[in-house]
Amino acid sequence: DAKTTQPTSMDCAEGRAANLPCNHSTISGNEYVYWYRQIHSQGPQYIIHGLKNNETNEMASLIITEDRKSSTLILPHATLRDTAVYYCIVRVAYSGAGSYQLTFGKGTKLSVIP
Amino acid sequence: DTAVSQTPKYLVTQMGNDKSIKCEQNLGHDTMYWYKQDSKKFLKIMFSYNNKELIINETVPNRFSPKSPDKAHLNLHINSLELGDSAVYFCASSQDLAGGLGEQFFGPGTRLTVL
Repeated sequence: DAKTTQPTSMDCAEGRAANLPCNHSTISGNEYVYWYRQIHSQGPQYIIHGLKNNETNEMASLIITEDRKSSTLILPHATLRDTAVYYCIVRVAYSGAGSYQLTFGKGTKLSVIP
Repeated sequence: DTAVSQTPKYLVTQMGNDKSIKCEQNLGHDTMYWYKQDSKKFLKIMFSYNNKELIINETVPNRFSPKSPDKAHLNLHINSLELGDSAVYFCASSQDLAGGLGEQFFGPGTRLTVL
């Protein structure tokens, strides 16, 4: 899987939008961009994923640049409960049994400040 | 209902002992995984397994052996525990289908401490 680069940490004021960037300049055409987060002492949680188009769900929005070399996860109204480590992961589409294993990087520690 | 559950939540044991961590998922998924998160918080895949195939990460010592009695369970057995095995172990599952989302659901983790 392609490698990703994320800032080590970010702060965001409560109620404001949190914009978490991710660089994946070596992404291949069949690789998706996934975002997971890990709240302290819990298992990782899926947030959103995309291939080319921007995506939105009840948790967040994902903006992928046209060249697909970078993306931004947007939490529109950050709350204290969004404080977590956010992981950007690129992963190939299905290629056989067990192909969904994830390769986690260091992620971005997001601190939402009251 | 808990989707992916693990027992025990905490496990403290002596070096050299053999221990097991149990994992169960009630999502009907085909594939299950074990991940290890060390003290530096790096989260690494150890195994992925479905009822057809076990995929082993080459960096995992053979003291670690996954055992799957059925599709809903993937237990992790560890022989001759070492200090370096201390970590949080996460179980996960996904529906392993071509064209599928592949979203993984993680358990709450088991914190293993080897003394």
